[in-house]
Amino acid sequence: QQQVKQSPQSLIVQKGGISIINCAYENTAFDYFPWYQQFPGKGPALLIAIRPDVSEKKEGRFTISFNKSAKQFSLHIMDSQPGDSATYFCAASRKGNEKLTFGTGTRLTIIP
Amino acid sequence: GAVVSQHPSWVICKSGTSVKIECRSLDFQATTMFWYRQFPKQSLMLMATSNEGSKATYEQGVEKDKFLINHASLTLSTLTVTSAHPEDSSFYICSASSAGGHTGELFFGEGSRLTVL
Repeated sequence: QQQVKQSPQSLIVQKGGISIINCAYENTAFDYFPWYQQFPGKGPALLIAIRPDVSEKKEGRFTISFNKSAKQFSLHIMDSQPGDSATYFCAASRKGNEKLTFGTGTRLTIIP
Repeated sequence: GAVVSQHPSWVICKSGTSVKIECRSLDFQATTMFWYRQFPKQSLMLMATSNEGSKATYEQGVEKDKFLINHASLTLSTLTVTSAHPEDSSFYICSASSAGGHTGELFFGEGSRLTVL
């Protein structure tokens, strides 16, 4: 059972534009929602994370929007740059359990 | 952030041999480590949860006798792929959480690419 659904599968955005990736979850016990960035041949690196007690979190050009009632969360990358080209994974974990369930990933390409 | 190191970063072996991959937390103690497998252009799939000083907990469908996990200290977990076959070729990634309870943040290693000939 796919517990975290991610879309789109791939995304092409022009430099300077806004990249938006969406995730939806089913398990209401999830209480931690991180986003990871992965470059080819490398392990994933934590970008930003949010907990359900807030609806938005911003760190630099990266923002997570969280909608608890809809069980959805999204990553917004402002002023997208070619260096942001990577695969992005959303994930979720339950309270008291650090085991992460990953989304299917979004391959982001920023074009000049 | 904290550093998790994996070794080797890539390995090629013959079918039928065993391969050991190490995962070390360099600047923190990790009571729990997780092992993931990632096929090309796919997501990370959790294989097992490794707890220091106790047996690993394997996810459904993962053969515990084939993927041996040892977490003998708070800074080291190892994954041994026994009698490797070409279908075991994959990118293996470990992650670790710091001791002291649920912080929520996991630190990932750089991954180990296994190719079985």
